[in-house]
Amino acid sequence: NAGVTQTPKFRVLKTGQSMTLLCAQDMNHEYMYWYRQDPGMGLRLIHYSVGEGTTAKGEVPDGYNVSRLKKQNFLLGLESAAPSQTSVYFCASSYGVEKGAQNFGPGTRLTVT
Amino acid sequence: DAKTTQPPSMDCAEGRAANLPCNHSTISGNEYVYWYRQIHSQGPQYIIHGLKNNETNEMASLIITEDRKSSTLILPHATLRDTAVYYCIVKANNLFFGTGTRLTVIP
Repeated sequence: NAGVTQTPKFRVLKTGQSMTLLCAQDMNHEYMYWYRQDPGMGLRLIHYSVGEGTTAKGEVPDGYNVSRLKKQNFLLGLESAAPSQTSVYFCASSYGVEKGAQNFGPGTRLTVT
Repeated sequence: DAKTTQPPSMDCAEGRAANLPCNHSTISGNEYVYWYRQIHSQGPQYIIHGLKNNETNEMASLIITEDRKSSTLILPHATLRDTAVYYCIVKANNLFFGTGTRLTVIP
């Protein structure tokens, strides 16, 4: 099993450009999450999904959109990137909030200039 | 949602037990305590979790006080590879990772 994979690993964007980060998991997990981590900070939840076709806002959702069209994939979109969105983005998945640990991907390092 | 309080940093001598405390005084009855760690810039790694009873696995032990308001993660024989940031998390609908405890294992 590959676990949780993220694409791409690195990306540089110019202000105003758009992009989509892809997260894929092969563990048949119901829940998927997107976090961001700024230098020296803990992780902050952006959006999460409790199942295919559902999404919900986390702690810092502004400027991001998500979609969960397939159970194994969770997409994070930036419609108009801003320098404040420079961060490392982590995706995670789990069987449920109380049903098991979250498995994290390796992260995507995004720089917006 | 319950939040947690952890010391920002701790040191531990290699080979000794590392005891990492966490305060979660507002925890509710059905909320689990989870511990993760993050080594350098890698994705966080699950360590252990518990509800009321003490738990042990191949990585660590988790001691939860009887009133459930605090817990301690124990790494029985710390190695240099255990140097990481350790996060204590009380699971709820809106998951929250704080700044954790930066553990440095000293040779």
